[in-house]
Amino acid sequence: NAGVTQTPKFRILKIGQSMTLQCTQDMNHNYMYWYRQDPGMGLKLIYYSVGAGITDKGEVPNGYNVSRSTTEDFPLRLELAAPSQTSVYFCASGSGITDTQYFGPGTRLTVL
Amino acid sequence: AQSVTQLDSQVPVFEEAPVELRCNYSSSVSVYLFWYVQYPNQGLQLLLKYLSGSTLVESINGFEAEFNKSQTSFHLRKPSVHISDTAEYFCAVIPVGAQKLVFGQGTRLTINP
Repeated sequence: NAGVTQTPKFRILKIGQSMTLQCTQDMNHNYMYWYRQDPGMGLKLIYYSVGAGITDKGEVPNGYNVSRSTTEDFPLRLELAAPSQTSVYFCASGSGITDTQYFGPGTRLTVL
Repeated sequence: AQSVTQLDSQVPVFEEAPVELRCNYSSSVSVYLFWYVQYPNQGLQLLLKYLSGSTLVESINGFEAEFNKSQTSFHLRKPSVHISDTAEYFCAVIPVGAQKLVFGQGTRLTINP
C-alpha cells in the first residue's frame, strides 16, 4: 500500500515557468488537499477536493490551479512561477472531514 | 474566522523530562481538534484527535491532550520524552460544519540528551 505519493521530490523553476505537481493516493479517499508549508507559518491550504470533479479554494489559491478527474489523482498546476511560490508542497487525502489526513512526503520547490 | 495559536515556536527539553506544547484556538462554533507530528524530512502524521466524549485523549506513543472548552485550549503533554520525539508538532482545528482544517504555526520540540 503506497498511500499518498508525490512527484517530483525537488524542483527548481525560473520565474515565469510553469509546472504540475503530481499527487496520487491508493486508499480510495474522496477528500484530497494541497498545502504549502513555509518556515514558521504552519501549513496553508491551497485547494481541496471532496470528490472527483469537485474542487474548491483554500486560504491561498492565487497562482495555482487544480483538477480532479479521478478519485486517485489531484494534480496542482503552477502557472507563471514567482519567487513567492518557493515552498514545500504537501498533498494529503482522507475519507471524511474528521478522519485522519494522510500526507505525502512533499515536494520542495524553489523559484529563482 | 477560526484561528489556532501555538504559543511556543521552539521547546527544548532534556531526555526523560516532561513536556507541554500549548495550543489555543478561537472559533464562534464548536470545533474538532487535532495534533499532527512531522518528523524531519517527512510529511505530517496524525498523533491524536478530539471529536467528542472524554476530553482527555491519548496517543499510542505516550502523548496526551486535554480539550478545555472554557479556556479554548488543547495542550499536548508527555510525562517523559525520548530522543525519538524530536519533531515539529502542529495543532489543528476543524469547525463543526466546515470542510477545511486550520493549522497552527507549529512547535519544534528538541530533545537534548
